[in-house]
Amino acid sequence: GESVGLHLPTLSVQEGDNSIINCAYSNSASDYFIWYKQESGKGPQFIIDIRSNMDKRQGQRVTVLLNKTVKHLSLQIAATQPGDSAVYFCAENTYGNKLVFGAGTILRVKS
Amino acid sequence: GAVVSQHPSRVICKSGTSVKIECRSLDFQATTMFWYRQFPKQSLMLMATSNEGSKATYEQGVEKDKFLINHASLTLSTLTVTSAHPEDSSFYICSASSGAYRGSTIYFGEGSWLTVV
Repeated sequence: GESVGLHLPTLSVQEGDNSIINCAYSNSASDYFIWYKQESGKGPQFIIDIRSNMDKRQGQRVTVLLNKTVKHLSLQIAATQPGDSAVYFCAENTYGNKLVFGAGTILRVKS
Repeated sequence: GAVVSQHPSRVICKSGTSVKIECRSLDFQATTMFWYRQFPKQSLMLMATSNEGSKATYEQGVEKDKFLINHASLTLSTLTVTSAHPEDSSFYICSASSGAYRGSTIYFGEGSWLTVV
């Protein structure tokens, strides 16, 4: 869903563990989602996307799961590394290619 | 790969003055560019959609007379913050797309930090 004035939750994981970052949406008609990684002071970086005709998509060390029944998607990062520390956003790609960003989650990787 | 460049990356301006931020697509023609605003530890909020050769479309609550957007060419969009105030201090990010249809790749710039003193 949209984020208005919310502060970001933090997920702390040990290096080498798997990370799961969650995102909920409210519109059952939403059908295209993208996960972004944003490092401090930089623009968002594309990670992976998924359309509603799929419930799972895998990339390199990342998996996105989409549960349309409960309007929830998650990003799983395998074998989390210090370089994965960043803020992660889910975004809905709406009409005209406009993105509506979720609240975001800070991922901190402990060595 | 495609690159979107923003300039300046950091700018400090005095309250009451205007400041311009540029967004350029370096190796593709961007029919559509988007401007976002991000406060510290918050999410990105879409401000406006900029289409080449036409007026920008602003999101609800964004003052079009305060945030002037010009998309004069297929590779350049500018955001001008007019009569800046300290509350306008923020991280401004642009993105560019080679098409307006859903699914055309979106490229983000590196952002511009604006501090109004």
